[in-house]
Amino acid sequence: QITLKEPGPTLVKPTQTLTLTCTFSGFSLSSIGVGVGWIRQHPEKALEWLAVIYWNDDKRYSPSLKSRLTITKDTSKNQVVLTMTDMDPVDTATYFCARIMITYGGVLRLDAFDVWGQGTMVTVSS
Amino acid sequence: QSALTQPHSVSGSPGQSVTLSCTGTRSDVGGYNYVSWYQQYPGKAPKLMIFDVSKRPSGVPDRFSGSKSGNTASLTISGLQLEDEAAYYCCSYAGSYSWVFGGGTKLTVL
Repeated sequence: QITLKEPGPTLVKPTQTLTLTCTFSGFSLSSIGVGVGWIRQHPEKALEWLAVIYWNDDKRYSPSLKSRLTITKDTSKNQVVLTMTDMDPVDTATYFCARIMITYGGVLRLDAFDVWGQGTMVTVSS
Repeated sequence: QSALTQPHSVSGSPGQSVTLSCTGTRSDVGGYNYVSWYQQYPGKAPKLMIFDVSKRPSGVPDRFSGSKSGNTASLTISGLQLEDEAAYYCCSYAGSYSWVFGGGTKLTVL
C-alpha cells in the first residue's frame, strides 16, 4: 500500500521559516521516474504546485515561489522536506505532498500525481 | 507559468453529460500530452481521475473520459451521478520537469 503523510497542523509567525516533512511508504524515491511533490491549496481556492524532487535529486520549483522554497529528500528515511522562508499570512493554506511518476528513458509512466497525502493545515499568524 | 484556465462552475442533471475545459498555452497543455485531472471533495485530498490526457487509472469509472485539442484539454463525465458533485482540477506538464494546475471547476449535479 502506498501512503504519504504530512505532519499535523502547523502555526508559524510572519517572517518565520516553515519546514514540512512528508513521510511516505510503499515506494522508493530511488526508483527511476519517481518523484514527490508539494502542492498547496488556500482556503476555498485552487491547487497550486510548489515544488517536486525526483529520484535523481533533480529539483524543480514554482517560478513565483522559487526564491523562498527548498526541497530535499532523505531516501533512507523515506522522507521529503519542504522549507519555505519568510512566511506571510497569505501563505495560510493546506499543504499536500504527492507521488509522481514520470516518463523517462523511454519507459511510459503516469506523468501525474497519483497518490496524495491527506494534507496539513498551515496557519501564518502572529 | 500561469495557472491553467478552467470555468469556475458547471452544472448538470443526473444522467446527463458535462464537459469541463482546461485552457493553457503551447508551453504546457498544447505542448505535451501530459494532462491529468483530479476530483476533490471538500476537506479531502485530490484523487487522480485521468492521466496522459485520456487514460484512466484502475478503479475510475469509464464515465470519465479526457481529450485534448490544441491548447485546451477537456474532461467529459457521462451519465452524471450525484456522487460526481465535486471540484475538478486539471494539471499539465509545463516543461523542464515542472507542473501547473488549473483554477478548478466546481461541478454541481442538480
